[in-house]
Amino acid sequence: AQTVTQSQPEMSVQEAETVTLSCTYDTSESDYYLFWYKQPPSRQMILVIRQEAYKQQNATENRFSVNFQKAAKSFSLKISDSQLGDAAMYFCAYRSGPNSGGGADGLTFGKGTHLIIQP
Amino acid sequence: ETGVTQTPRHLVMGMTNKKSLKCEQHLGHNAMYWYKQSAKKPLELMFVYSLEERVENNSVPSRFSPECPNSSHLFLHLHTLQPEDSALYLCASSQDRQGYKQYFGPGTRLTVT
Repeated sequence: AQTVTQSQPEMSVQEAETVTLSCTYDTSESDYYLFWYKQPPSRQMILVIRQEAYKQQNATENRFSVNFQKAAKSFSLKISDSQLGDAAMYFCAYRSGPNSGGGADGLTFGKGTHLIIQP
Repeated sequence: ETGVTQTPRHLVMGMTNKKSLKCEQHLGHNAMYWYKQSAKKPLELMFVYSLEERVENNSVPSRFSPECPNSSHLFLHLHTLQPEDSALYLCASSQDRQGYKQYFGPGTRLTVT
């Protein structure tokens, strides 16, 4: 079974600064996806960024980028130029890929990191 | 985003009650999911449906009974719940079982008294 670990229950950053959220995972599969989801107080889970395991290039979405270290099974999220609207719970998640030999269809989540933005 | 809706948003029920949670997706997706989000625990996958057939059940107690009458609707029927079942129940959908992107609803906050 796959596991996802987020070791930072809470992080705080000054507005306009950069913050990095950590995530490690454990799997024996070679085909998988990794995600960062954001859950604001409204509770709606929103996909921030995704990474396919077979891609070496780190994914980037505007101010959000990841540092994917496959050998180390590490998948951190960097938020640049932090904004007040970035305040939320951030969840790292894992999903088996289509070629993983019958892995779970759903997402495996970490416990989350509560990100606080200081004005 | 209104692609996935859930009703009710809040529910308080006694341990002997029977209630149902409803999820509806307006995205034309073929796969739907139920997740449970408890305090200080990771989101837990409960059920997966693909084309209205249950394809995964993560050892969920029988007091939770899912129903997927069509690809747009997903229900979670609740009966004889325990206080530890109090949680946020999230519904999600994806294009199909292989769809990597899951769209989530706002959740139903359930309190069992």
